[in-house]
Amino acid sequence: DAGITQSPRYKITETGRQVTLMCHQTWSHSYMFWYRQDLGHGLRLIYYSAAADITDKGEVPDGYVVSRSKTENFPLTLESATRSQTSVYFCASRNRGPGELFFGEGSRLTVL
Amino acid sequence: AQSVTQLGSHVSVSEGALVLLRCNYSSSVPPYLFWYVQYPNQGLQLLLKYTSAATLVKGINGFEAEFKKSETSFHLTKPSAHMSDAAEYFCAVTSNSGGYQKVTFGTGTKLQVIP
Repeated sequence: DAGITQSPRYKITETGRQVTLMCHQTWSHSYMFWYRQDLGHGLRLIYYSAAADITDKGEVPDGYVVSRSKTENFPLTLESATRSQTSVYFCASRNRGPGELFFGEGSRLTVL
Repeated sequence: AQSVTQLGSHVSVSEGALVLLRCNYSSSVPPYLFWYVQYPNQGLQLLLKYTSAATLVKGINGFEAEFKKSETSFHLTKPSAHMSDAAEYFCAVTSNSGGYQKVTFGTGTKLQVIP
């Protein structure tokens, strides 16, 4: 199906474990983004990518790693999860220019 | 630098009443402004966007917003609230500074519609 999909939708892990959240889009959009959503903070940008092999930090990048070897995929890795990384993570994509962001349905991560 | 302030984290209106959700922005260059809606357990969806054409922007589901440069505002309105409008609404800003790479979101306003 066309669109942007995230997996897993729900994940429970323990402090110190590595977790990877996957994001896949079928539109060949140039830009992809990872946001986290927390009560009282709205959406905060973690990392973004302008094209394959081009990534840059957002507002809250510490503790996260991204890669973009293919245009359609943009995985987000928490190398050593901490409780403060408990959140809902959204992947989004768009083309160049000031256009609409298209969001996935989110991945709810709980770190115990 | 750019930022967005949404006044009121929670707004309650009666069904059929006017909906007014407030958004003020800050941008050192001409902004592009958006309103997104989020229903429970879903991602955000675009309601409407301002991209320097008409200052009054009409969106989906009867919503509209007016860009007022003098007030640095982009408030969202709907003449008559419907139960299905209950959701969380986010205002967002981007600009040509940095090639529209960063979109900054407000903290959101949760709209409750009372029957």
